[in-house]
Amino acid sequence: ETGVTQSPTHLIKTRGQQVTLRCSSQSGHNTVSWYQQALGQGPQFIFQYYREEENGRGNFPPRFSGLQFPNYSSELNVNALELDDSALYLCASRATGTGGEGYTFGSGTRLTVV
Amino acid sequence: AQRVTQPEKLLSVFKGAPVELKCNYSYSGSPELFWYVQYSRQRLQLLLRHISRESIKGFTADLNKGETSFHLKKPFAQEEDSAMYYCALLNAGGTSYGKLTFGQGTILTVHP
Repeated sequence: ETGVTQSPTHLIKTRGQQVTLRCSSQSGHNTVSWYQQALGQGPQFIFQYYREEENGRGNFPPRFSGLQFPNYSSELNVNALELDDSALYLCASRATGTGGEGYTFGSGTRLTVV
Repeated sequence: AQRVTQPEKLLSVFKGAPVELKCNYSYSGSPELFWYVQYSRQRLQLLLRHISRESIKGFTADLNKGETSFHLKKPFAQEEDSAMYYCALLNAGGTSYGKLTFGQGTILTVHP
């Protein structure tokens, strides 16, 4: 059984650029969520995907978008990067029918915007 | 809106001492609460959930709906308990089912 893998582990981008972060869900998990964790803060929910459709979104602007693929891998895209987007981005997957106990988290991608 | 508050950013105790990490929540429905832990250089992982009422690594947490609290307790802290602890509340209905709202976290340090 594989866990959740995220790539890249670290990334440095310039303000105004676009970035794509990738996540491979744990085998058997068909729901994926993305969280943003700013330094010293708890993770904040960005959005959730199930069956390749977004089915929940947190308080993030539209320049944060995502995709889920048939193999349940997913992407988080952020356009027009701002300095405040610097954070650790966590991907978490779970199987249908499970709640908070079913989450498996990835190690995260550390994004720095300069 | 749902909210989770962990009032202590840092908590230090000595080995063998009791420890309590505080968590308060705000939620209009029936809450489902969790404690997650992140050890150094490891990923976030589930410690326990209130529904199961089990003890994991000696930790317990009781949901108190009257005080809207879900404090994490351990009678005798161990050095290996040193970690970041997050209290989290599950959105169990409507859109964003499965969304977790996290507190800001408490860094627990257990001194020898």
